[in-house]
Amino acid sequence: DAGITQSPRYKITETGRQVTLMCHQTWSHSYMFWYRQDLGHGLRLIYYSAAADITDKGEVPDGYVVSRSKTENFPLTLESATRSQTSVYFCASAGQGGNAGELFFGEGSRLTVL
Amino acid sequence: QKEVEQDPGPLSVPEGAIVSLNCTYSNSAFQYFMWYRQYSRKGPELLMYTYSSGNKEDGRFTAQVDKSSKYISLFIRDSQPSDSATYLCAMRNAGGTSYGKLTFGQGTILTVHP
Repeated sequence: DAGITQSPRYKITETGRQVTLMCHQTWSHSYMFWYRQDLGHGLRLIYYSAAADITDKGEVPDGYVVSRSKTENFPLTLESATRSQTSVYFCASAGQGGNAGELFFGEGSRLTVL
Repeated sequence: QKEVEQDPGPLSVPEGAIVSLNCTYSNSAFQYFMWYRQYSRKGPELLMYTYSSGNKEDGRFTAQVDKSSKYISLFIRDSQPSDSATYLCAMRNAGGTSYGKLTFGQGTILTVHP
């Protein structure tokens, strides 16, 4: 199906474990983003990518790693999960056409760190 | 102080009411202003998109931007139960380096009851 998909949708892990959240888009959008959503904070940008092999930090990058070897995939890795990383994570993409910089979001990955 | 402030509500209105949602911001460099709607357990989806100051209307929805006051609004006319969702304001600077890098408000939870 066309669009942006995230997996897993739900994940429970323990403190100190490594977790990877996957994101795949079928629009060939150049730009991809990872946001986290927490009560009282809205959505905050973790990392973004302007193209394959180009990534940069957002507002809250500490404890996260990203890579983008292919245009369509943008995985987010928590190298050693902490309780403060319990959150809902949204992947988004943006293309060059339409509303400049309009974000298209996935359905989210709900992560709980025990 | 957050760059973007949004009253989280919750806001409960009867069907048919006019709803007013607002955000204030402090960063005068913001040039693009958006409203996203987010249903429960779903990703945000773009509702309204405006550039600089002025009004924009789309069906029952009107977005207003007052850059002199650093204040944006979303009005929903003839509200419907299907409008029940969280509404997020978002904004960004102009320029290619800000593409897709949005600063969000905390979101307002709206319930429209029949």
